[in-house]
Amino acid sequence: GENVEQHPSTLSVQEGDSAVIKCTYSDSASNYFPWYKQELGKRPQLIIDIRSNVGEKKDQRIAVTLNKTAKHFSLHITETQPEDSAVYFCAAHNDYKLSFGAGTTVTVRA
Amino acid sequence: NAGVMQNPRHLVRRRGQEARLRCSPMKGHSHVYWYRQLPEEGLKFMVYLQKENIIDESGMPKERFSAEFPKEGPSILRIQQVVRGDSAAYFCASSPGRDNSPLHFGNGTRLTVT
Repeated sequence: GENVEQHPSTLSVQEGDSAVIKCTYSDSASNYFPWYKQELGKRPQLIIDIRSNVGEKKDQRIAVTLNKTAKHFSLHITETQPEDSAVYFCAAHNDYKLSFGAGTTVTVRA
Repeated sequence: NAGVMQNPRHLVRRRGQEARLRCSPMKGHSHVYWYRQLPEEGLKFMVYLQKENIIDESGMPKERFSAEFPKEGPSILRIQQVVRGDSAAYFCASSPGRDNSPLHFGNGTRLTVT
């Protein structure tokens, strides 16, 4: 089955700085890569996704890159704000199953 | 669109009791997934269902756990004879299709076994 590894497990950044989270996946058949944000006690919410035929996608302060050859993808958050503090999960979709990384706890320091 | 609806939000059961978790997918979605999340951990796949069919239950313990998604009504995750280790947040997600479709999560059911 698919194995998704995510790094780092925790990330502390100064407000206004950038945050980068990296993930690798094992199954080359995976073709869809969403990112979810989960605030404490709440549900995971989709914030951005990328499909395997695209190398990069941007939505305001959030961008995701995908390197299919190396089987890794990354989330970039620029100009971080306190409301960006949350747990972020990457995931890889293979056929019908979505496999998640272990999560990154991002703390934005004011 | 009301989104994915899960109930109850919180469920407390004593060891040995049964827990029933319900999930109504988003309107138009016929694919339902159940995930378990232990405190400060990631989301672990449990089961994938389409209407009246279990497609993949490879992530679900063989004993005590079962899931269904009947033709009418919500999907049900049932845990019989609960133990303390079953305490977790159980999230349901739905999608309109099988391939490359975003999963939309419900607010989860937080099960506490005392």
